[in-house]
Amino acid sequence: NAGVTQTPKFRVLKTGQSMTLLCAQDMNHEYMYWYRQDPGMGLRLIHYSVGEGTTAKGEVPDGYNVSRLKKQNFLLGLESAAPSQTSVYFCASTSDRILMNTEAFFGQGTRLTVV
Amino acid sequence: KNEVEQSPQNLTAQEGEFITINCSYSVGISALHWLQQHPGGGIVSLFMLSSGKKKHGRLIATINIQEKHSSLHITASHPRDSAVYICAISNFGNEKLTFGTGTRLTIIP
Repeated sequence: NAGVTQTPKFRVLKTGQSMTLLCAQDMNHEYMYWYRQDPGMGLRLIHYSVGEGTTAKGEVPDGYNVSRLKKQNFLLGLESAAPSQTSVYFCASTSDRILMNTEAFFGQGTRLTVV
Repeated sequence: KNEVEQSPQNLTAQEGEFITINCSYSVGISALHWLQQHPGGGIVSLFMLSSGKKKHGRLIATINIQEKHSSLHITASHPRDSAVYICAISNFGNEKLTFGTGTRLTIIP
């Protein structure tokens, strides 16, 4: 049981380049989330999905797009990378709404550097 | 003021010491989560609490809802406990987790 798997683990982009981060979970979870982690700050929610075919904005959605075409996959896209998007990105999934006190499962993280 | 405050930010202790990490929050919550992040690694859920106390091995988590405070304790600490410990809350106002900035724990052999 792999849980939540993120690819790639590391990436260096030049300003203006695009890329897609993939999150895959094998727990049949409905809810999936993308967070970014920056020094001195708590994890911040970028976008989330409450089920296949749905997406919603989180706290810091600007500059990112997401898609959830399949229940097990949640993709995070950067159309035109900026140095401010240098961060560690984490994907997470839950079986139910956060308010239902459900445990969150996280991926290993993707360290992205934009130069 | 952040909704979730952790203390201390950094903690260094000798192997075998009893460790306490604190988390205070300022809103009503449905649950509080304690997470562990090893250097360069992913994030693992340790506990989810809505009241009282939970224990798993050498780790104990407590929560006082009235005082809006939770503690994570580690007994007989070991170098492998070195990690960042993150507190997160799910509050009644929205559907997302709000995270503290983490406590970096280093256990010296």
